[in-house]
Amino acid sequence: GEDVEQSLFLSVREGDSSVINCTYTDSSSTYLYWYKQEPGAGLQLLTYIFSNMDMKQDQRLTVLLNKKDKHLSLRIADTQTGDSAIYFCAESIRNAGNMLTFGGGTRLMVKP
Amino acid sequence: DSGVTQTPKHLITATGQRVTLRCSPRSGDLSVYWYQQSLDQGLQFLIHYYNGEERAKGNILERFSAQQFPDLHSELNLSSLELGDSALYFCASSVVGGDTQYFGPGTRLTVL
Repeated sequence: GEDVEQSLFLSVREGDSSVINCTYTDSSSTYLYWYKQEPGAGLQLLTYIFSNMDMKQDQRLTVLLNKKDKHLSLRIADTQTGDSAIYFCAESIRNAGNMLTFGGGTRLMVKP
Repeated sequence: DSGVTQTPKHLITATGQRVTLRCSPRSGDLSVYWYQQSLDQGLQFLIHYYNGEERAKGNILERFSAQQFPDLHSELNLSSLELGDSALYFCASSVVGGDTQYFGPGTRLTVL
């Protein structure tokens, strides 16, 4: 079955690194995504990783994928107050019409 | 700005009514996806269209229907509305099915 889980809340200080974790259950995932949602706004694509990769770095963002444990993480370096938002991980499964299955979202609060 | 547009931004209506939500995909994108975001269900996939044809259905109620027109814009029709249909409705587009999905700003539907 398809189930994506995330912790609900993370609080960090400005300048620290943030690590948001996600677990998924479907081993046939093709892509795994991280989206950011600010209050009252839509979903902004942050980054994604193909399922045969272990790591992807994009400026302050680092995505790590552990396929054995079905664990995905997003690390944000030098976290800023503007990073405060809800972060969703999502998996895309080719055999399921490539729909995205989302986690419940992690609310990141960055304290000055 | 993702390049995906949705109208209207907000919609307030009464139970039993019917509404139409509109989505214009990014230029060149052939796939349109619809998602519902509610407090109790989170983000859920509703339906996927590719180049005018329905490709996949998710947790979409029978009271809901969608279509994609020759100019590739899509409409989501919600009828016999209930209080529980109040949610944010997002559309996303991608070049082809399975490609990265870019989300619009959403339509917030309130059913009174």
